[in-house]
Amino acid sequence: DAGITQSPRYKITETGRQVTLMCHQTWSHSYMFWYRQDLGHGLRLIYYSAAADITDKGEVPDGYVVSRSKTENFPLTLESATRSQTSVYFCASLAGTGVRFTDTQYFGPGTRLTVL
Amino acid sequence: ILNVEQSPQSLHVQEGDSTNFTCSFPSSNFYALHWYRWETAKSPEALFVMTLNGDEKKKGRISATLNTKEGYSYLYIKGSQPEDSATYLCAFGAAGNKLTFGGGTRVLVKP
Repeated sequence: DAGITQSPRYKITETGRQVTLMCHQTWSHSYMFWYRQDLGHGLRLIYYSAAADITDKGEVPDGYVVSRSKTENFPLTLESATRSQTSVYFCASLAGTGVRFTDTQYFGPGTRLTVL
Repeated sequence: ILNVEQSPQSLHVQEGDSTNFTCSFPSSNFYALHWYRWETAKSPEALFVMTLNGDEKKKGRISATLNTKEGYSYLYIKGSQPEDSATYLCAFGAAGNKLTFGGGTRVLVKP
């Protein structure tokens, strides 16, 4: 039972290149989230999805694109990577039905992205 | 954008000592307050979820209290051990099941 996985775990790319970070969960959770780790800000929400084909912007969506054609996958694409997007990216999924604000989010292991 | 703040940003604790730190959040439109424990090179893991004013939660030597009227939560670690070293994140639960995280408090327990 793998739970929630992210790939790649480490990625180095150059400014202007397109990069896709993958997130896969085996629980069939409805909600999935993408965060970036920023010093002093903890985790900031980039995009989230309430179900397949339903996505919405979070706090810092600029420069990112998401899709969710299948419940278990939630890829995050940086269309033209910039140095400011160097960060650790975490994917998370939400247990339960998603209607209660008390549901716990489960986090993947993170992807460390460096943009040169 | 919701403002969730944690203080202090970091603290050093001697092994065996107790400590506490704060999370402050908007007191209006409160839904839930989450605490996560985040060890270096690992993923954040849920500690507590609190919803009611006056809530107290406990897990081993770690406990938390909640005051929704004034918008703060305290996390306490009793008799700190080296394995308690981690960053502790609080997160304000909002509509749509979105979480707004504070900047975290990094705790280092010195043997």
